[in-house]
Amino acid sequence: GQQLNQSPQSMFIQEGEDVSMNCTSSSIFNTWLWYKQDPGEGPVLLIALYKAGELTSNGRLTAQFGITRKDSFLNISASIPSDVGIYFCAGVAGKSTFGDGTTLTVKP
Amino acid sequence: GAVVSQHPSRVICKSGTSVKIECRSLDFQATTMFWYRQFPKQSLMLMATSNEGSKATYEQGVEKDKFLINHASLTLSTLTVTSAHPEDSSFYICSAESGGVPSYEQYFGPGTRLTVT
Repeated sequence: GQQLNQSPQSMFIQEGEDVSMNCTSSSIFNTWLWYKQDPGEGPVLLIALYKAGELTSNGRLTAQFGITRKDSFLNISASIPSDVGIYFCAGVAGKSTFGDGTTLTVKP
Repeated sequence: GAVVSQHPSRVICKSGTSVKIECRSLDFQATTMFWYRQFPKQSLMLMATSNEGSKATYEQGVEKDKFLINHASLTLSTLTVTSAHPEDSSFYICSAESGGVPSYEQYFGPGTRLTVT
């Protein structure tokens, strides 16, 4: 079946630093989705990407749909403590396939 | 838009009893809903796919007789953990599929923390 490789698995950064995470696959997807899960909550959809090469921003978050349609990245600029959480990517091709998540810790 | 609720948010039950968790799409209709289980600091583990009006599709290794899923309407799916045991203690999250043009997206509920004593 389809699998996603999400990296890094975890990140420990200082407040104010920029963050970058990505998802790659050997499969082609029609849509890439990025979610954030706060502790004890369900994941919340942050950004949806529908076209290869598409670059979309949501505040300090920027995500891109890779040209090959096999990858996507998420950048967070000028991190703040409330950015802490688990970030999941999901590739959609009929059904959704989720990455294993990137756990982000931000030190004040 | 695309709000999904779950009830209860937390539940504690005794070993051997059954617990029902409800998942509702509040402002959209969802033909397909999903149930996930998540252990601390781990990823989402898909348990089953629930389609309105038909039997749920369970992932390999998930006991269908233990985790009963009912998707009786386009806005409600329920997960019943039967004869619960301490090892069933976990965070259960549902999601509902919305969209379709250009693609379907899953919207998640806030989760239910189940503790079996």
